[in-house]
Amino acid sequence: EIVLTQSPATLSLSPGERATLSCRASQSVSSYLAWYQQKPGQAPRLLIYDASNRATGIPARFSGSGSGTDFTLTISSLEPEDFAVYYCQQRSNWFTFGPGTKVDIK
Amino acid sequence: QITLKESGPTLVKPTQTLTLTCTFSGFSLSTSGVGVGWIRQPPGKALEWLALIYWDDDKRYSPSLKSRLTITKDTSKNQVVLTMTNMDPVDTATYYCAHRGGWYVPFFDYWGQGTLVTVSS
Repeated sequence: EIVLTQSPATLSLSPGERATLSCRASQSVSSYLAWYQQKPGQAPRLLIYDASNRATGIPARFSGSGSGTDFTLTISSLEPEDFAVYYCQQRSNWFTFGPGTKVDIK
Repeated sequence: QITLKESGPTLVKPTQTLTLTCTFSGFSLSTSGVGVGWIRQPPGKALEWLALIYWDDDKRYSPSLKSRLTITKDTSKNQVVLTMTNMDPVDTATYYCAHRGGWYVPFFDYWGQGTLVTVSS
């Protein structure tokens, strides 16, 4: 089973700041990685798929990069609605999710 | 537009079998590349993938839960059913069904609202 590790566990930032979230896989997943956003009481929302492709309707401030075992989700300038938990997920070997990174307001 | 909705019991007793139904609209599960998956989330914890059924009836299960899970589809009713046997309090979670977006977006691009299942005697 491929294990995904996300860092940091919590990221405290202010609106307007840049957020950089990391996801590392225990073995290569090629580019078969997605990022989701989840707000309290809501279902996850797909942001990025196949490492760098924005899903439909996702603002351009969200971008993804990486391949193999190291991936990054970048939010260029945090909006108030971006404070949430972010999960990465791989589909290279079965499907697994990372433990999440919480982005909260500093 | 694509919508999914989970239904089933909110409370089950330990050792019982859980049966959840995902009723969807806006897509067909007979379309090549499409799938419907189940994912759960214990309170305050991370997401865990459980199972996925594809348009061609191919089925995939989480290796750690495979012995307890069965996923089926009824294309004519636009439904996917997940059964999980031998329920335990650690299975208490919100259970989501989600649409796998076909060949071009092979991830979970639409989700149901989720249903909270509590396992308790």
